[in-house]
Amino acid sequence: QKEVEQNSGPLSVPEGAIASLNCTYSDRGSQSFFWYRQYSGKSPELIMFIYSNGDKEDGRFTAQLNKASQYVSLLIRDSQPSDSATYLCAVQDTDKLIFGTGTRLQVFP
Amino acid sequence: GAGVSQSPRYKVAKRGQDVALRCDPISGHVSLFWYQQALGQGPEFLTYFQNEAQLDKSGLPSDRFFAERPEGSVSTLKIQRTQQEDSAVYLCASSLSGTLGNGYTFGSGTRLTVV
Repeated sequence: QKEVEQNSGPLSVPEGAIASLNCTYSDRGSQSFFWYRQYSGKSPELIMFIYSNGDKEDGRFTAQLNKASQYVSLLIRDSQPSDSATYLCAVQDTDKLIFGTGTRLQVFP
Repeated sequence: GAGVSQSPRYKVAKRGQDVALRCDPISGHVSLFWYQQALGQGPEFLTYFQNEAQLDKSGLPSDRFFAERPEGSVSTLKIQRTQQEDSAVYLCASSLSGTLGNGYTFGSGTRLTVV
């Protein structure tokens, strides 16, 4: 059974700080990785995807992938209260995504 | 429409009742996925269609769950003889291509409560 592990949190950071969200996965052969944001009572929305080792930046978000360590992370710079949500890490498994349980992020003013 | 549409938004069913959940994907999208999200958990895969063909139903938890997409557009997830453990949000997603591509967009979900 392929697994994706995330710390459930909550992770609390002050406004303006960098939030670091981490995820590990069990299948060494995994190739594609996704980060979704989910506000309370809403459906998940795609933030970023990453396929290659290293960093991928999009605005205030940076995804980092280390396949040797089976580790993927999401950094949020200049965190805002509106970033407060649950962040779901997902790994592709053939035709579907395997999700972690999510990390709840709280950004306080 | 502009996005994936699901109905009803909320459904309360008595234990033992049958329910049908509808998903309208983005027009022209080939692939359609159903996921189940229990409270405090991440979404869990149920089934996948490419056009009208159900290519993967490995995530359906029991034979009480059945999904169809007869004309390759609208899909219905049916749950027979609902149980309390079926209470969850049921999410539908679609994508343009026949592969996962760059991820996909979820609908707003149907929250099913079995009492």
